Amino acid sequence: DGGITQSPKYLFRKEGQNVTLSCEQNLNHDAMYWYRQDPGQGLRLIYYSQIVNDFQKGDIAEGYSVSREKKESFPLTVTSAQKNPTAFYLCASRDRGERNQPQHFGDGTRLSIL
Amino acid sequence: GQQLNQSPQSMFIQEGEDVSMNCTSSSIFNTWLWYKQDPGEGPVLLIALYKAGELTSNGRLTAQFGITRKDSFLNISASIPSDVGIYFCAGRRVGGSEKLVFGKGTKLTVNP
Repeated sequence: DGGITQSPKYLFRKEGQNVTLSCEQNLNHDAMYWYRQDPGQGLRLIYYSQIVNDFQKGDIAEGYSVSREKKESFPLTVTSAQKNPTAFYLCASRDRGERNQPQHFGDGTRLSIL
Repeated sequence: GQQLNQSPQSMFIQEGEDVSMNCTSSSIFNTWLWYKQDPGEGPVLLIALYKAGELTSNGRLTAQFGITRKDSFLNISASIPSDVGIYFCAGRRVGGSEKLVFGKGTKLTVNP
């Protein structure tokens, strides 16, 4: 099946700990994105990557880091510097080969603090 | 970052009723997208719009790209219980690069 796979579905973080959320896609999409969703809010962009080995900060990048070593993978690390990490994290990807193709989303990872 | 003005925030309707929701922006957009999100899941794309005035249907759903390019509308006809969820609009500003701007969502409840 083609799609975007996020893992794990649920993740718990202890104080002072870094955690990494996985996002893998087999759609051959160039662009990948990470969003944060809080209750009653729209999606806010954390980081995005338009091509392998390149990424840009979104609107709320502080306390997060990413890498894009492979086209199909865009992991997000929530560092201890992120003081309010409890949220639902969504990964998306898009085909940049055709103009204005929409983003498609994975099923999310819910991160909670222990 | 900017967010779109999406309304209403929530709707409680009876099965069989029609539903309308909209999004507005102070900026001009070249793309409007409508997504539906079920609890604990990722948003699923419903309709994509690329041209001012464009009207596109997907089953019982119809969406329009406003003539001013600053708004979009989503209508659901003859609602059914599985229409329950949160509906998000999203748009790409002219000259706005890769970034999508999202509304805060409309939570739809359908009473059988």
